[in-house]
Amino acid sequence: SQQGEEDPQALSIQEGENATMNCSYKTSINNLQWYRQNSGRGLVHLILIRSNEREKHSGRLRVTLDTSKKSSSLLITASRAADTASYFCATLDQTGANNLFFGTGTRLTVIP
Amino acid sequence: GAVVSQHPSWVICKSGTSVKIECRSLDFQATTMFWYRQFPKQSLMLMATSNEGSKATYEQGVEKDKFLINHASLTLSTLTVTSAHPEDSSFYICSAARHESNTEAFFGQGTRLTVV
Repeated sequence: SQQGEEDPQALSIQEGENATMNCSYKTSINNLQWYRQNSGRGLVHLILIRSNEREKHSGRLRVTLDTSKKSSSLLITASRAADTASYFCATLDQTGANNLFFGTGTRLTVIP
Repeated sequence: GAVVSQHPSWVICKSGTSVKIECRSLDFQATTMFWYRQFPKQSLMLMATSNEGSKATYEQGVEKDKFLINHASLTLSTLTVTSAHPEDSSFYICSAARHESNTEAFFGQGTRLTVV
């Protein structure tokens, strides 16, 4: 079942600007992942951050994790029009029994 | 990295027919697989959880006789939409959790089903 949400629900920025999206959850986790979904398309795995990590980088992506606040953020730097998509966070709870997928995602629009 | 493959990526079928969607973990063994359904502009809704060799656990409101799930091996789970109707048209996505740790799950690309 879904127990969290991403915010903002929609974000519109100019190409070259940075975009920050947040994700909150309610259970204890082992790791958290961010996915991108282009309109009408499948999910693309972006990055995984483990519960003992606080920050992780991958190219133009920077993910932070605050387990005390049960929240994570995804920062996309120097955005491009091709970054336009919906972004979701997802995780398993600590038992590994429940796959949780949160909210409606953040719809990012990057204006060229 | 872990790769989960779904097949087909899209399918169009006639009302009353059945459609089978496959979910494969290509480079790891998956003890648990999850099936989701996504309506337009909405998040994914968990339909069922399947463990290899046992019956799937369905979420409330999901008809188990309509959405048949089989998890016959550690690398393959299938979802069969039986007697499909136009209202079954949707985007279906699976995810698979690693056997070793069961703490990582990765999503497939999804299957767009259109029932005409």
